[in-house]
Amino acid sequence: DSGVTQTPKHLITATGQRVTLRCSPRSGDLSVYWYQQSLDQGLQFLIQYYNGEERAKGNILERFSAQQFPDLHSELNLSSLELGDSALYFCASSGLENEQYFGPGTRLTVT
Amino acid sequence: DQQVKQNSPSLSVQEGRISILNCDYTNSMFDYFLWYKKYPAEGPTFLISISSIKDKNEDGRFTVFLNKSAKHLSLHIVPSQPGDSAVYFCAADGANAGGTSYGKLTFGQGTILTVHP
Repeated sequence: DSGVTQTPKHLITATGQRVTLRCSPRSGDLSVYWYQQSLDQGLQFLIQYYNGEERAKGNILERFSAQQFPDLHSELNLSSLELGDSALYFCASSGLENEQYFGPGTRLTVT
Repeated sequence: DQQVKQNSPSLSVQEGRISILNCDYTNSMFDYFLWYKKYPAEGPTFLISISSIKDKNEDGRFTVFLNKSAKHLSLHIVPSQPGDSAVYFCAADGANAGGTSYGKLTFGQGTILTVHP
């Protein structure tokens, strides 16, 4: 158990819809990262937050957005969903040493 | 453009023998490297890391070697155990002045390791 929690574990929704994925980092970690793992792309970095502020951005689509709240939990919002958005979404957190600890992931299926 | 490559999709070894997982990278700005292990239906688990100022880092049965001139790193597991069977990911990032990762990890495609009893 990494100490990072993600909800929900599974999500099935239709094209065009909007969903929110939630992540709680390990106690004391200020950095939160979001990754997408799809079959053909592997693990892709989406975005990083540090203590509420956006710190780094990867190839995150404009339809996707994230935020980190004062209690340090983070949410990833995916809108206008397409079939190709079906993937595993992982959240990770890190402390001072920056080794990232991953949550169990949310499996999103868009039908 | 795949900046981190794990060219072997799978590796099979006998229990007790050495497992060697390889990783190549193309981006010379990468300065910090990590290995993760992943079981099905779980998130990646951090194993070991290495900064470019070192060429070797050891933690128990796991050793990571870095050859910066060849842009190549490898993970050695000795002795291999059936519980090591998982997907292994190599990841890379730039490093800050303190030598630790910035955090924007670029992952390889993974190598499936199977350790037979």
